[in-house]
Amino acid sequence: GEDVEQSLFLSVREGDSSVINCTYTDSSSTYLYWYKQEPGAGLQLLTYIFSNMDMKQDQRLTVLLNKKDKHLSLRIADTQTGDSAIYFCAERGRDDKIIFGKGTRLHILP
Amino acid sequence: DGGITQSPKYLFRKEGQNVTLSCEQNLNHDAMYWYRQDPGQGLRLIYYSQIVNDFQKGDIAEGYSVSREKKESFPLTVTSAQKNPTAFYLCASSMVARGTGLGYTFGSGTRLTVV
Repeated sequence: GEDVEQSLFLSVREGDSSVINCTYTDSSSTYLYWYKQEPGAGLQLLTYIFSNMDMKQDQRLTVLLNKKDKHLSLRIADTQTGDSAIYFCAERGRDDKIIFGKGTRLHILP
Repeated sequence: DGGITQSPKYLFRKEGQNVTLSCEQNLNHDAMYWYRQDPGQGLRLIYYSQIVNDFQKGDIAEGYSVSREKKESFPLTVTSAQKNPTAFYLCASSMVARGTGLGYTFGSGTRLTVV
């Protein structure tokens, strides 16, 4: 079945780059997404990438997609304290539903 | 501004009570979803609806019920049959538009606690 896997925790020093990784199983995924959740809030769409692209950049965010390995990553340059949140990877599968990973909690060290 | 509103933000339930969580959207979205979030468990789909007067069970529907009488509204009732209802509940909506990159829009959540 469809599944999205990501590590649960990541600690990064302020000013460094953060790289959050994700793997998915559905080779027919059309779109892949990154969502951000701040404490006590809902999920906010950060960015998405179409499956025929291998990279997308938006200011401090870079998304890399390796379709052969079914691997997606989100790089946050110059990580700030405001980037502290849970980041969810998600894929839009063959039935058009979006499947979410369990989320990676990003902790920023001073 | 269009958006999706969940209320209340915090809700307390006594043992054996049913409670209803509200979700309203003015985005003209066709589909609506209810998720439950527990620490370390990610999002688990409870129910979803792609059209008015129709809805489907998700992965953890037992102990929950929904209705979709209006396009804008998708309330979730947590019944007394749900033995462990303490969690953060998230509502989402989306257009039903195959082949597009449109994601889900989420509400700000309701935290339900059993007392």
